Amino acid sequence: KQEVTQIPAALSVPEGENLVLNCSFTDSAIYNLQWFRQDPGKGLTSLLLIQSSQREQTSGRLNASLDKSSGRSTLYIAASQPGDSATYLCAVNDRGSTLGRLYFGRGTQLTVWP
Amino acid sequence: KAGVTQTPRYLIKTRGQQVTLSCSPISGHRSVSWYQQTPGQGLQFLFEYFSETQRNKGNFPGRFSGRQFSNSRSEMNVSTLELGDSALYLCASSKRTSSSTDTQYFGPGTRLTVL
Repeated sequence: KQEVTQIPAALSVPEGENLVLNCSFTDSAIYNLQWFRQDPGKGLTSLLLIQSSQREQTSGRLNASLDKSSGRSTLYIAASQPGDSATYLCAVNDRGSTLGRLYFGRGTQLTVWP
Repeated sequence: KAGVTQTPRYLIKTRGQQVTLSCSPISGHRSVSWYQQTPGQGLQFLFEYFSETQRNKGNFPGRFSGRQFSNSRSEMNVSTLELGDSALYLCASSKRTSSSTDTQYFGPGTRLTVL
């Protein structure tokens, strides 16, 4: 059964810092991996999707990498801003299941202070 | 283009009652999935529907059920509510055109409180 782990559970940094969020998964047979952002009490916003054949994806100040063989992904946030404060969730789409089922980590709660 | 919409946004019920939540996917999306989010368990998969058929079901009791209509809109129902059913219920839709690039888009959720 696919299990997704995110480290650290919480992170507090001053504005302007570059930071890395980590995600690991137990079964490398995946279709893709997605990073989401969730603001308190709200739904999830998709940030990046990395296909299983890709090594990384970039969107603005965000860069996500994927090492499928080792079951790891990282989300790099450059020049962090207070508006980046949110919970970041990693999810994998497992080849052993259906496409509509994502396996989620517990998230990293990020606080960026001015 | 309108996003995924969920109604109602907030709901307060008492134990033993039943509740129906609704989800309208993004236009053109044929797949709808439901998740329950609680502080203790995180995000847990409930069901997945595609072309009006349930394709997958998570590990939840039979009190949780759902369906999908021909216009891809979906509803989920919880009968005989328990205090532990208090959660944020999230719906997600996707196009289901390619396995590797199938991005799921989430709605704002329905906050259910059971008293």
